[in-house]
Parts: sequence; C-alpha cells; structure tokens
Amino acid sequence: TQLLEQSPQFLSIQEGENLTVYCNSSSVFSSLQWYRQEPGEGPVLLVTVVTGGEVKKLKRLTFQFGDARKDSSLHITAAQPGDTGLYLCALQGGGTSYGKLTFGQGTILTVHP
Amino acid sequence: NAGVMQNPRHLVRRRGQEARLRCSPMKGHSHVYWYRQLPEEGLKFMVYLQKENIIDESGMPKERFSAEFPKEGPSILRIQQVVRGDSAAYFCASSPGLGQGSSGNTIYFGEGSWLTVV
Repeated sequence: TQLLEQSPQFLSIQEGENLTVYCNSSSVFSSLQWYRQEPGEGPVLLVTVVTGGEVKKLKRLTFQFGDARKDSSLHITAAQPGDTGLYLCALQGGGTSYGKLTFGQGTILTVHP
Repeated sequence: NAGVMQNPRHLVRRRGQEARLRCSPMKGHSHVYWYRQLPEEGLKFMVYLQKENIIDESGMPKERFSAEFPKEGPSILRIQQVVRGDSAAYFCASSPGLGQGSSGNTIYFGEGSWLTVV
C-alpha cells in the first residue's frame, strides 16, 4: 500500500503570511489530489495534478507536482482566516477505482486575524 | 443539483446497539463510497458500491460492519453491536461512472455523519 506523508501536521500563522504544505511518497504517483476540510464538514476537492512538474493555480493557492511524481506541495499566498482548515492530499485508485482514495494524515492550518 | 446527502448528521448510540447511516448520492451518480475518519487515524476508505453490488470492501472491518446500495433508495452503512471505538465521522462520497458526466473522475463528499458511542 502506497503511503503518503504530509508535513507539517500543524501550522499556525498570522493573516497575510505565506505558507507551504508538503505531501511525499516513496513511490511514484499516478495522480494526486488536494482537498480542504472545514470542521464539521466533508472534504472538498481543490485540485487534481497528473503530470510531473505540473503547476496549477487557484486564486492564492499554488499546487505543484514534483518532476519525479513522488511529491507535491501546496503554497498559499497572503493567508486569510477563511483558509483555516484541514488540508489533505490523496492518491486515487486506478481505473474504475478512482474513487478509492488513500489520504495523507493532513495538515491542520490555523490563520489568526 | 443537490449534493451528497447524509443522515443523520449526528447519532448517539449505547454500546451494543445498532447504528444505521444513510447516504443519498448526487443526482445521476451510481457509485457510492464510504470513508471513516478517526482522530488518530485520519480519513480511511471503507467500501465502494454500485447499485446492488459491492465492488470493493477491502477497508471494511471484518465483523459487525456491512453496507448496501439497493436498486431503490439510499446507501446504508450498518454497524451492529457498536463499541466505543466505532465513534467517528463517517463520510459518504459519490461519483458518476468512469468518464461520464462533466465532472470526469471526481468524487463528491457529503457532510458526514458523526457517530458517538456511549
């Protein structure tokens, strides 16, 4: 079973600061997804990265997929209190099992006003 | 288009009772997944169902847990003789068939059912 390691586990920052969250595996990813989960709610998909070296932007969020497809990062610029939540990376199962996700343990982000 | 609907949102059961969690997938979705989130373990896959079929139950505990997705009605996750260790958030997700729909290979999560065993 391919395992994902996320770091840091906890991140507490002030509004306006930048931050980066990392997701690593010892094996090559076929595709990787990033989710955000707020307290009391389900995970919401932010992005799917597929190609090595790929960079995707979603407003103040920048997602990068490593060239070797074994790591990914999420960078948030000028964090806001609304960014507070649990950030999860996940591997999709192959073929018809694409909904069978393997999640990292997550990064709990708190942005203080 | 309503999202994935789960109920109840919160459920309290005494040890030894049964818990039934229901999930109505998004309209047009025929695939349902159940996940469990424990504080110390994170979010883990349990089971993948299509209408009337269990496709993959590799994440289901061997005893007391069962899931179904009948031809009509919601998917049900059933936990018999609950124990304190079953206390967790249970999430349902749904998707259309492979390559179908504008969402492609994306699954959508419900808001979860929080089970507390006392």
